[in-house]
Amino acid sequence: DTAVSQTPKYLVTQMGNDKSIKCEQNLGHDTMYWYKQDSKKFLKIMFSYNNKELIINETVPNRFSPKSPDKAHLNLHINSLELGDSAVYFCASSQDPMASGGPILYNEQFFGPGTRLTVL
Amino acid sequence: AQSVTQLGSHVSVSEGALVLLRCNYSSSVPPYLFWYVQYPNQGLQLLLKYTSAATLVKGINGFEAEFKKSETSFHLTKPSAHMSDAAEYFCAVTADQGGKLIFGQGTELSVKP
Repeated sequence: DTAVSQTPKYLVTQMGNDKSIKCEQNLGHDTMYWYKQDSKKFLKIMFSYNNKELIINETVPNRFSPKSPDKAHLNLHINSLELGDSAVYFCASSQDPMASGGPILYNEQFFGPGTRLTVL
Repeated sequence: AQSVTQLGSHVSVSEGALVLLRCNYSSSVPPYLFWYVQYPNQGLQLLLKYTSAATLVKGINGFEAEFKKSETSFHLTKPSAHMSDAAEYFCAVTADQGGKLIFGQGTELSVKP
């Protein structure tokens, strides 16, 4: 009955490779997010999607491309991996902040367990 | 623009002692504030949130936080620390209509026996 799941949990790869991280939520939420946590544990948003539509794109290199096949899934594809991409990537979901005439900015975001990406 | 600052990257307390984790915010609009906890090798879990309904907010695991507009603070407290409270704690504010969270730098809480 996992709410937000991510696969894989660990990902070790070489520089220059292309990799994907998958995220699925079974909470019925309309909005999903990707966050990056660096080695100093600093968390920063990368993207958010609402009903498969890109809402937030936070100056992330275009090597990162989110894909939302449906509102329960938000995958992250990374091309030409670099050493600096090593981090923990968290997927999250919430109810639509703009629902019911919104914005409702205090909707809880539910986080997945994270994917630890190591680029060698 | 909204931001949060957590004072102290590491706090150490003895079991049974008061826990106080500090968070100050900056916001041009009334903020919505959150405290999340991250246990080792896990995702983030919401402890509590401030939504302007009440300035003293009670959360899970015995934690609470008080919103003080005059001090632009939202400090997290717990009267008596347990060993199981050892974790990383993040204060966050929502920034815009997209609902994104702006996080503080995090505070690692250690609990000594």
